[in-house]
Order: sequence, then structure tokens, then C-alpha cells
Amino acid sequence: NAGVTQTPKFQVLKTGQSMTLQCAQDMNHNSMYWYRQDPGMGLRLIYYSASEGTTDKGEVPNGYNVSRLNKREFSLRLESAAPSQTSVYFCASSFRTDNTEAFFGQGTRLTVV
Amino acid sequence: SQKIEQNSEALNIQEGKTATLTCNYTNYSPAYLQWYRQDPGRGPVFLLLIRENEKEKRKERLKVTFDTTLKQSLFHITASQPADSATYLCVSYSSASKIIFGSGTRLSIRP
Repeated sequence: NAGVTQTPKFQVLKTGQSMTLQCAQDMNHNSMYWYRQDPGMGLRLIYYSASEGTTDKGEVPNGYNVSRLNKREFSLRLESAAPSQTSVYFCASSFRTDNTEAFFGQGTRLTVV
Repeated sequence: SQKIEQNSEALNIQEGKTATLTCNYTNYSPAYLQWYRQDPGRGPVFLLLIRENEKEKRKERLKVTFDTTLKQSLFHITASQPADSATYLCVSYSSASKIIFGSGTRLSIRP
């Protein structure tokens, strides 16, 4: 099993460019999440999808949009990238939003110049 | 505001000793806490979950405690090995469906 697969692994963007980070899971999980991780800070939740067809804002949603394309896939879009969005992005999935372990992808290292 | 704090300083332990990591939370009462391990350049990996009505949970050389009076969870690795060197993350889940990650404690086990 692949688990949680994120693409791309690395990306450099210019300020103002747009891009979509892709995430897919093959564990038949209901819930999926996007986090960002910055040095010295914990992972911060950007958006999550408790189940197929629903999405909700997390702690730091500004500047991002998401799409739960189907049960397997959850994408994160940066419409107009800013240097403050330079970070490592992690996608995760779990059977449901509470009381279950989350499985994480390997991360996308994004640099906005 | 709801906060979860882990010791940001790295913890250096001699191989074979017990490593103890601390997680403190303030201004809320999590329904459960989770501990994850994160290696450089990788995503976090789940280790243990402990619920608010559980005092202690064990898995092989790992032990987690949850003290709702002290608002604290302790994570222990007994008979530590260099392969245990990593960053360990404490994560809480509150009744407001809020997931909060600690910033992690880097653990180094020297031979």
C-alpha cells in the first residue's frame, strides 16, 4: 500500500504564481487534512475534509483553497503565492476526525521567491 | 487561547537510559492526546493515543501518561537506542473538533 501520496515533493514559485498540491490516499479513509510546518512551530491545520463532499477551514486558511475531488483525493491550491507561504506542506488522512491515528504524506517543500 | 507546549530544547540521552518528554496544555481539556515521531524530511508517524480517562498507555518500550490535574502528558522511551533519535510531537484533540500540534522535542540518543 502506498498510504498517503503527495505531489510534488519540491516546488519553487515566484510571488503571484498559482499552483495546486495534490494528495491521494488508498486506505479508504473518510477524513483528509492539509497542514503546514514552519521552523520552531507545530504543524498548523490549513483545511480539512471530514468526509467526502465537505471541507472546513482550519487554523490558517487565508491564501488557500481546497477541493475534495473524491474520497481518495484532496488538493490544496495557492491562487497567488506569497513569500509567507514558504513552508513544508503535509497532507494527512484518518478514518474519521476524532480518536483515530492520522497517516501523513512525505511532504511538499514549497519556496516562494 | 488554547495552547500545547513541548520543551523546544533538544534532549540528549545516553543509550540505554529512559528518555522522558513533556507535553503541557493550557486553557482547554483535550479529549485525548496523541504522540507522533517525525524524522528529518519525513511526515509524522503515529505512535500512541491516550484518552482523558486513561492514566497510562504502553506499547513495547514506549509509555505515555495523561494527568488531567497537572494538564500534562509524559512520553517515556525506556532502554533508549540511537535509532530512537527523532523529533517527537504531542497532538491534542478537543471537544471543539480542534486539532493542535505541539512544536515537538528533538531527542538525540548517543551511543
